[in-house]
Amino acid sequence: GAGVSQSPRYKVAKRGQDVALRCDPISGHVSLFWYQQALGQGPEFLTYFQNEAQLDKSGLPSDRFFAERPEGSVSTLKIQRTQKEDSAVYLCASSLVIRQGPNYGYTFGSGTRLTVV
Amino acid sequence: AQSVSQHNHHVILSEAASLELGCNYSYGGTVNLFWYVQYPGQHLQLLLKYFSGDPLVKGIKGFEAEFIKSKFSFNLRKPSVQWSDTAEYFCAVCREYGNKLVFGAGTILRVKS
Repeated sequence: GAGVSQSPRYKVAKRGQDVALRCDPISGHVSLFWYQQALGQGPEFLTYFQNEAQLDKSGLPSDRFFAERPEGSVSTLKIQRTQKEDSAVYLCASSLVIRQGPNYGYTFGSGTRLTVV
Repeated sequence: AQSVSQHNHHVILSEAASLELGCNYSYGGTVNLFWYVQYPGQHLQLLLKYFSGDPLVKGIKGFEAEFIKSKFSFNLRKPSVQWSDTAEYFCAVCREYGNKLVFGAGTILRVKS
């Protein structure tokens, strides 16, 4: 598709439930990013993939958060044993990164709004 | 660690008023700077970016931003706002050749018609 696609658009989970959020990046974009945006805040970096390699996961808030991109395209962000503080919009972005070159900015998806009750 | 500060969380303007949204960042090295916009119900979109060269950069929809290195600032401006500019605006920074964006908390702009 022309843009970054995320699903589901909305997810309500009971506390303790596991959730999986999907991101389809723009075809050919080698870099994929996950961000978490809490209410009233800017997006905060969670993790970054270049192709299938997870190069940076420094932003994942706990070991309940896990991301994968096994074939270098679609990515899934999984949150185990969800807590109320996990309620946020989860944004995915992809970028055509030229190695050793500057980042020209991402294309963001519309996000998945997760509400933990 | 890098951080970004946006001075105003809410701004209300009348149509045709001039706009300036403040953004300051903290990082000692060379940075790339961005402004993103999120219209109601839509995804984040790139408004403009600065990498090098002329510190006054022009973006879409008549927006511009000026990079002042000595002040660690990258303020967004528009001479005359329209009702359709109502949106949330985010300033972001990443280190040169980096990929991880650090965002400010955002400024919600409401333009009254």
